[in-house]
Amino acid sequence: GAGVSQSPSNKVTEKGKDVELRCDPISGHTALYWYRQSLGQGLEFLIYFQGNSAPDKSGLPSDRFSAERTGGSVSTLTIQRTQQEDSAVYLCASSLVVRANYGYTFGSGTRLTVV
Amino acid sequence: AQSVTQPDIHITVSEGASLELRCNYSYGATPYLFWYVQSPGQGLQLLLKYFSGDTLVQGIKGFEAEFKRSQSSFNLRKPSVHWSDAAEYFCAVGAGSGGYNKLIFGAGTRLAVHP
Repeated sequence: GAGVSQSPSNKVTEKGKDVELRCDPISGHTALYWYRQSLGQGLEFLIYFQGNSAPDKSGLPSDRFSAERTGGSVSTLTIQRTQQEDSAVYLCASSLVVRANYGYTFGSGTRLTVV
Repeated sequence: AQSVTQPDIHITVSEGASLELRCNYSYGATPYLFWYVQSPGQGLQLLLKYFSGDTLVQGIKGFEAEFKRSQSSFNLRKPSVHWSDAAEYFCAVGAGSGGYNKLIFGAGTRLAVHP
């Protein structure tokens, strides 16, 4: 696609429910990144993919968070048993390759609210 | 570990005034440095980046930034601010193996512009 697409754009869920957030990167981009943006906290790195592999998942906050990427394209971030502190904007970005100097293209994010 | 500090959480300037947003980084080698802007309801957009060479880099929308190794700084400047520059600005440093694999962001500076 022309840009990075994320869905849904907004998600309200009840505490304890599972949620799935989707990211569709730019076609041909091998690198895909997930960040979390909490109010006043800046962007927190979660995980990145090179193809379908995740060499660095050091930013995932707990084992309730997981992510996968299939076909070198779409990625899904899953949060199990959501908690109120999971409320944030989840941003996805893609890059042609895993090199910071190539620059990232960000999606518009998914705003997750846990009530 | 690599880190980025943006000391100013919120800045207000008058339209037409000059602007400087501060950024300090922590990184052992020559860093890859970036400035992104996030306008309300928009995704993050790359303003400029520094990898090597001339320490004064020009970006889009009339912005520039200067890399100062002795001060571990990469401050963003604009000579004359426009109302449309009101947004949140993020400084980032390349991190991971060789500084290549991911970006670490600061907490952001929110810019308000008075008419």
